[in-house]
Amino acid sequence: AQSVTQLGSHVSVSEGALVLLRCNYSSSVPPYLFWYVQYPNQGLQLLLKYTSAATLVKGINGFEAEFKKSETSFHLTKPSAHMSDAAEYFCAVSVSSGGSNYKLTFGKGTLLTVNP
Amino acid sequence: DTGVSQDPRHKITKRGQNVTFRCDPISEHNRLYWYRQTLGQGPEFLTYFQNEAQLEKSRLLSDRFSAERPKGSFSTLEIQRTEQGDSAMYLCASSLAQSGTQYFGPGTRLTVL
Repeated sequence: AQSVTQLGSHVSVSEGALVLLRCNYSSSVPPYLFWYVQYPNQGLQLLLKYTSAATLVKGINGFEAEFKKSETSFHLTKPSAHMSDAAEYFCAVSVSSGGSNYKLTFGKGTLLTVNP
Repeated sequence: DTGVSQDPRHKITKRGQNVTFRCDPISEHNRLYWYRQTLGQGPEFLTYFQNEAQLEKSRLLSDRFSAERPKGSFSTLEIQRTEQGDSAMYLCASSLAQSGTQYFGPGTRLTVL
């Protein structure tokens, strides 16, 4: 079975600083990996996904993530934080079953706060 | 593309009552998923449908929970005899079978008093 570990339940950065949110996964087969963002009392919005193509994935709002198989990691970064980036971020893994991917397994989330 | 919609957005009920939630997926998506998210946790998989067929149910889905997708379009999730432990955000997502990328609705927040 697959699993996801997000290191750091809470990350605080200053506006304009680098954002780094860490995600490590465990999977016995090649995974698909996702980052979602959740604003208070809302659903999840897809930021980016890795589906075995390029290992550096660019997403919306200036975020990107790099798939490192040797480290089983998929960390999320953004060069310069904006106040609007404050939200909860979830890393998720999905593996192929019967030829097609389905259920997502999520980490516990990382709450990002951005200080002015 | 109007996105995934869920109704109601909020539901407050008393313990022991039955509740039903509705999810309308993105129109061309043939897969529909239900997840539950409790405070401070990531979403957990409950069940999913491909068209009208329910293909997997999690062990989290007790006998009090039932989900349907009768015509392969919208889905309902019913909880019978609600308990305080059922209080959570219930999220619906949809995808194309060949894509694997799930798009989420805004969720239904259930509070059981």
